[in-house]
Amino acid sequence: SAVISQKPSRDICQRGTSLTIQCQVDSQVTMMFWYRQQPGQSLTLIATANQGSEATYESGFVIDKFPISRPNLTFSTLTVSNMSPEDSSIYLCSVEIWESSYNEQFFGPGTRLTVL
Amino acid sequence: SQQGEEDPQALSIQEGENATMNCSYKTSINNLQWYRQNSGRGLVHLILIRSNEREKHSGRLRVTLDTSKKSSSLLITASRAADTASYFCATDAGGTSYGKLTFGQGTILTVHP
Repeated sequence: SAVISQKPSRDICQRGTSLTIQCQVDSQVTMMFWYRQQPGQSLTLIATANQGSEATYESGFVIDKFPISRPNLTFSTLTVSNMSPEDSSIYLCSVEIWESSYNEQFFGPGTRLTVL
Repeated sequence: SQQGEEDPQALSIQEGENATMNCSYKTSINNLQWYRQNSGRGLVHLILIRSNEREKHSGRLRVTLDTSKKSSSLLITASRAADTASYFCATDAGGTSYGKLTFGQGTILTVHP
């Protein structure tokens, strides 16, 4: 498995501002992902954070709103830009780990964002 | 888009009883993973089952997979109050979607002491 940390764990932000969420892994990983979990909902994939190239976004998510950085194999950031109350969610990063030929995916503790 | 459907949406049982949660999906998969989430916190990985496997066990957990029916089930035996959580299935379709998980809507399990 992997130890994944996220900062901040939670935040309350004002409409129109931006928040950058950090994700740190204790080992080098190839695949890192960012997910969003809206209140009372399941998880939706935002993007794949690629090391050395631009992130790959899923339908409905764009780089201007959710810019992502991946400077190395252990770290990534997700920025939620120009926030509105609809952005209030839990944001989670995940990494893919190969264990005994299984590609399991592990999640960070999440960042709970509230936008007023 | 969410391709997984889980039932029941909520399940309430007594400690010591077994809990069964079901997951259905729409497209072919490379593997299916089950997760637990306590009170809106991070997800805990429970078990992964590959598309060529039919059953896996891990402690009190038993997962089955029927690719012909595109469905999976998670059985928790001898449940405990600490098992109270939301449970999600997530599918990895492989191919160009490799590593990208599609989550079901989840089952909220409440185990009463």
